[in-house]
Amino acid sequence: SYELTQPPSVSVSPGQTASITCSGDRLGNKFACWYQQKPGQSPVLVIYQDDKRPSGIPERFSGSNSGNTATLTISGTQAMDEADYYCQAWDSSTSYVFGTGTKVTVL
Amino acid sequence: EVQLVESGGGLVQPGGSLRLSCAASGFTFSNYAMHWVRQAPGKGLEYVSAITSNGGSTHYANSVKGRFTISRDNSKNILYLQMGSLRAEDMAVYYCARAGYSSSWYMDYWGQGTLVIVSS
Repeated sequence: SYELTQPPSVSVSPGQTASITCSGDRLGNKFACWYQQKPGQSPVLVIYQDDKRPSGIPERFSGSNSGNTATLTISGTQAMDEADYYCQAWDSSTSYVFGTGTKVTVL
Repeated sequence: EVQLVESGGGLVQPGGSLRLSCAASGFTFSNYAMHWVRQAPGKGLEYVSAITSNGGSTHYANSVKGRFTISRDNSKNILYLQMGSLRAEDMAVYYCARAGYSSSWYMDYWGQGTLVIVSS
């Protein structure tokens, strides 16, 4: 079965850049999306189709996908960005697959 | 405003059954595929099932295939998940989510979730 691996945790100082990776076999041949989940809340889509932001998502969130790795970048990280982040990919053979999740801590 | 409101969760014994509902509003429900996704306590997200906009096609994760059934009533704007032969590992918060598509599928709106507890 297809797997997406993320680092368990990422720490970042306020105002700095956080990068969260998502690794999977030939992930660059699929499209990746990212969800933010704050404690006790439902997930929120922050990036789709590798690098597209839904309306209402701040510009500091960006995404890329190439080779075996998709990356979510948070520029100028704010305290409100502290959350769990999950990548997700889809294709016709593997259906929906979620990454293992990364806890972002803003120190 | 898109709203998805799940209900039907609760305590059920191993081997038992439960039906979850998701009431949709704020969009034309019959135009969208829908999903169920679950999250065990302290764990990550897990895809459970999907259904096309007209209900004509369904898909299940291997972990629930043969035990869960997804369905929808487009006249009532409600999505369902009938769960049977429940196991301890099915205990989770169950979310319904609307499907989005742009070269690939994703989930653009999520409900608040409903908790299913499987315990004797």
